Amino acid sequence: GAVVSQHPSRVICKSGTSVKIECRSLDFQATTMFWYRQFPKQSLMLMATSNEGSKATYEQGVEKDKFLINHASLTLSTLTVTSAHPEDSSFYICSASRTGNTEAFFGQGTRLTVV
Amino acid sequence: GENVEQHPSTLSVQEGDSAVIKCTYSDSASNYFPWYKQELGKGPQLIIDIRSNVGEKKDQRIAVTLNKTAKHFSLHITETQPEDSAVYFCAAKGDTGGFKTIFGAGTRLFVKA
Repeated sequence: GAVVSQHPSRVICKSGTSVKIECRSLDFQATTMFWYRQFPKQSLMLMATSNEGSKATYEQGVEKDKFLINHASLTLSTLTVTSAHPEDSSFYICSASRTGNTEAFFGQGTRLTVV
Repeated sequence: GENVEQHPSTLSVQEGDSAVIKCTYSDSASNYFPWYKQELGKGPQLIIDIRSNVGEKKDQRIAVTLNKTAKHFSLHITETQPEDSAVYFCAAKGDTGGFKTIFGAGTRLFVKA
């Protein structure tokens, strides 16, 4: 299967600072990438969909100015949590697809803790 | 909107027994149904998938069945092993709606040795 690498796996930051999470498709070109948030013992909640070279499409209730997504190349998408607060602490996961209607492969996830 | 229901939420089986997880979906336009295994602290891993033009697919101890008329699909794990213990998610995806993958709530599988 295809490999998606997400970095960092864990990060602790202070309230008010920004954190960037990277998602890379290592052995394929990803036209579409997805960003999810997962709370403990819950399912994955889609935050936004990004297509290479286009602005991300955010799900209802997700603040686009707080969760900045960039998908500037076919192998890299980034999620920046701006002005982080403790309630932003969560497990963030990306996935990547060659095209929108093909299988998606997930990164390892990033555990964000805001103190 | 689209919805995927998954049952049971928790499943405990004895090593060597079979495990079955069932899902239903609401969007008749869904045509791709992946299953993911998620271990603690890790991202979901695709274990098997099925497309709407197929009724059944098997890969060693794992099989998936799809009933498009009833909008049901199921995961079957035979000869379970302790390392199968994890959370399993079903999902449904179509060619519209931004190609979003809609996930079920997850099933926590415990395989007792």
